[in-house]
Amino acid sequence: EAQVTQNPRYLITVTGKKLTVTCSQNMNHEYMSWYRQDPGLGLRQIYYSMNVEVTDKGDVPEGYKVSRKEKRNFPLILESPSPNQTSLYFCASSPRNEETQYFGPGTRLLVL
Amino acid sequence: AQTVTQSQPEMSVQEAETVTLSCTYDTSESNYYLFWYKQPPSRQMILVIRQEAYKQQNATENRFSVNFQKAAKSFSLKISDSQLGDTAMYFCAFMKYNNNDMRFGAGTRLTVKP
Repeated sequence: EAQVTQNPRYLITVTGKKLTVTCSQNMNHEYMSWYRQDPGLGLRQIYYSMNVEVTDKGDVPEGYKVSRKEKRNFPLILESPSPNQTSLYFCASSPRNEETQYFGPGTRLLVL
Repeated sequence: AQTVTQSQPEMSVQEAETVTLSCTYDTSESNYYLFWYKQPPSRQMILVIRQEAYKQQNATENRFSVNFQKAAKSFSLKISDSQLGDTAMYFCAFMKYNNNDMRFGAGTRLTVKP
């Protein structure tokens, strides 16, 4: 089944404890993105990648890191999480010549 | 920078009626894509409909259609014959052509009442 998977789906952590949210797609898509969703703000793009080893900042990159060493994986790293990073996070992917993004199921993060 | 505005935080409609959700955007680009995504209580993001800016014809997908006014930078979504399963958050989104930089509006929460 063609899909985007994220792990974990739910995470509670404490301020300053490094964490990684994984994202993987099995559709051979070139493009991948990370978004955060907050009430009243919609989805805001954190980082995106248009190919392996190519990443760009989105609207709200501060406090986040990404890497794209393989086409299928695009992990989101929070080196030192803070409470203002409590949010719902979505990973998405799309093929090069198609604009439609396919979203993962979301990861709900709570930083205490 | 591109911005997307959804001026209706919440709307409601009776089952079987028609409802229109508003979206405006700001851009200096001439070629781009517009989308409506649905987010039900499961939180999954589901593509409802998309429009390519260079196409004059309004996109239609079954009960969902758009009114795309390029000059006015307006992209409204019409849902006909509303069903209870249409209850969800609806997001309007903009993406530049040949780019992965996508911008979303704040969303409109739609409730379909029996």
